[in-house]
Amino acid sequence: AQSVTQLDSQVPVFEEAPVELRCNYSSSVSVYLFWYVQYPNQGLQLLLKYLSGSTLVKSINGFEAEFNKSQTSFHLRKPSVHISDTAEYFCAVSEAQGAQKLVFGQGTRLTINP
Amino acid sequence: GVTQSPTHLIKTRGQQVTLRCSSQSGHNTVSWYQQALGQGPQFIFQYYREEENGRGNFPPRFSGLQFPNDSSELNVNALELDDSALYLCASTTAGTRGRTGELFFGEGSRLTVL
Repeated sequence: AQSVTQLDSQVPVFEEAPVELRCNYSSSVSVYLFWYVQYPNQGLQLLLKYLSGSTLVKSINGFEAEFNKSQTSFHLRKPSVHISDTAEYFCAVSEAQGAQKLVFGQGTRLTINP
Repeated sequence: GVTQSPTHLIKTRGQQVTLRCSSQSGHNTVSWYQQALGQGPQFIFQYYREEENGRGNFPPRFSGLQFPNDSSELNVNALELDDSALYLCASTTAGTRGRTGELFFGEGSRLTVL
């Protein structure tokens, strides 16, 4: 069984400041890792994913995450945030084999202040 | 994309509810998730080619159907207050082209049980 821990429930930052949202996972088998974003009253949108290969993955809107197997982490970073990044961010893990069951963390609410 | 209906509904304890989902065209796998307020989504079950292909920790009163026309249903019997949540449907092409690891989510159906 897998589990995901998002270490911060809320992260307030000022616009144009850097941000890191922390995610740690637990699993006894190989996993895929994901970050999803949820804007108010909307469903989930995939932000980025790690399946294999390069441990640093990037999104089109400036976010990046690094898979660290030894520390079982998949932290999300952005060097300069914008007001429009205000949302709930969910880290998720799934087994690399078998049914695509995603196990989500509790979420981190990112609030950008002007 | 993935569309869900209804977007909002209110039921009373003991009633039954059916939520509907139309998958992205060509997707043969659909999953349902329950997202309680302030929580991350939790996996209910997954259907692949009209058969259940994995189930989370939900009682049998949660059941589903997948139809050949890219549509699916989530049924919940004997509603309880704790069933109040956002129910998310997600589809993917796992099974035919291999696992991409990406689920496409709908915007959800918000169920309130009074």
